[in-house]
Amino acid sequence: GENVEQHPSTLSVQEGDSAVIKCTYSDSASNYFPWYKQELGKRPQLIIDIRSNVGEKKDQRIAVTLNKTAKHFSLHITETQPEDSAVYFCAAEDTGRRALTFGSGTRLQVQP
Amino acid sequence: DGGITQSPKYLFRKEGQNVTLSCEQNLNHDAMYWYRQDPGQGLRLIYYSQIVNDFQKGDIAEGYSVSREKKESFPLTVTSAQKNPTAFYLCASRWGETGELFFGEGSRLTVL
Repeated sequence: GENVEQHPSTLSVQEGDSAVIKCTYSDSASNYFPWYKQELGKRPQLIIDIRSNVGEKKDQRIAVTLNKTAKHFSLHITETQPEDSAVYFCAAEDTGRRALTFGSGTRLQVQP
Repeated sequence: DGGITQSPKYLFRKEGQNVTLSCEQNLNHDAMYWYRQDPGQGLRLIYYSQIVNDFQKGDIAEGYSVSREKKESFPLTVTSAQKNPTAFYLCASRWGETGELFFGEGSRLTVL
């Protein structure tokens, strides 16, 4: 099955700085890689996703890059704001089960 | 409003008791999933169902059971065989084999 590793587990940045979260996956057949944001006490919500036929995708201040050869993908948040503070999860599609396998999460704290 | 409804939001249980968590969706999604969330461990897959009357074990199915008698409903029973049931349980659904996973608001189970 799929295995997803996520780093770092915690990340503290100053407001306006950039934040980068990295994930690796094991299933070379995986073709879908979403990122979810979970605020305290709330449900995870999709913020961006990428499929294996592209190497990068941007949406305003967030971007995701994918390196299929190395089997890793990253989330980039620029010009961070206090409301970006949350736990972020990466995930990869387990093609055998048709279910998402999640990383262990990164707690991002943006200091005003 | 379309969405996923989980109930109850909070549940307390004595050791040795079974408890059933409800999950209902009106998004007309075929696939439904149960994840367990523990601090620092991300989301782990308990059970999933791609179609009515069919479901498969995830990574941590021991001590849990599910049913999928209707497309809209995917209840999870936490049995007395689950050794450490205190956790936050998230139900999710999605359209098709890959795509955005929509989560319910979660059920927090505490065993006293």
